Amino acid sequence: DAKTTQPNSMESNEEEPVHLPCNHSTISGTDYIHWYRQLPSQGPEYVIHGLTSNVNNRMASLAIAEDRKSSTLILHRATLRDAAVYYCILRAHPGLGDMRFGAGTRLTVKP
Amino acid sequence: DVKVTQSSRYLVKRTGEKVFLECVQDMDHENMFWYRQDPGLGLRLIYFSYDVKMKEKGDIPEGYSVSREKKERFSLILESASTNQTSMYLCASNHPSSDYEQYFGPGTRLTVT
Repeated sequence: DAKTTQPNSMESNEEEPVHLPCNHSTISGTDYIHWYRQLPSQGPEYVIHGLTSNVNNRMASLAIAEDRKSSTLILHRATLRDAAVYYCILRAHPGLGDMRFGAGTRLTVKP
Repeated sequence: DVKVTQSSRYLVKRTGEKVFLECVQDMDHENMFWYRQDPGLGLRLIYFSYDVKMKEKGDIPEGYSVSREKKERFSLILESASTNQTSMYLCASNHPSSDYEQYFGPGTRLTVT
């Protein structure tokens, strides 16, 4: 399975943009890039996913490098509620079974 | 909103007891999953199910079994609980046509003493 590498932790100030990086140098052509986050004392929740093109939704933006070996989750304006562990996951579509969650990046948002 | 509920947030059981963890989803999803989450190990898949009465082993099925008699309900069973099964257990569900998005329950923190 292709592996992802994320920083263990990051800090941000409230109302500033946050760029969360993910390296996936062994990504295959059929792998989609997914981002989930886990708020304290909750189960993970889906944030966004993409294949090659940059993607936007109401929660975040996903910027994918041209060679697809890295991607960045962008929170345009961090709030205290965005403090969570963010997971970058590769998975082929249509996939069977699980999402393979790694250790993720713990984002702290300072007021 | 999709809702995945788990029967308990916290559970304490003794070694050797049979433990049932229940998960119910209200969105008519075909797929359901059981994970456990441990510090430093992330989420690991125990079992999943694609339909009623169907089940597939995940990465760590040993010591666990599952039951899916109805579409909305997926149960995880610890036949004889052991201390190394102390963990956070998370249930998830999704629809095959949008399998990029799994909906998770709040989790059950199980302590086996």
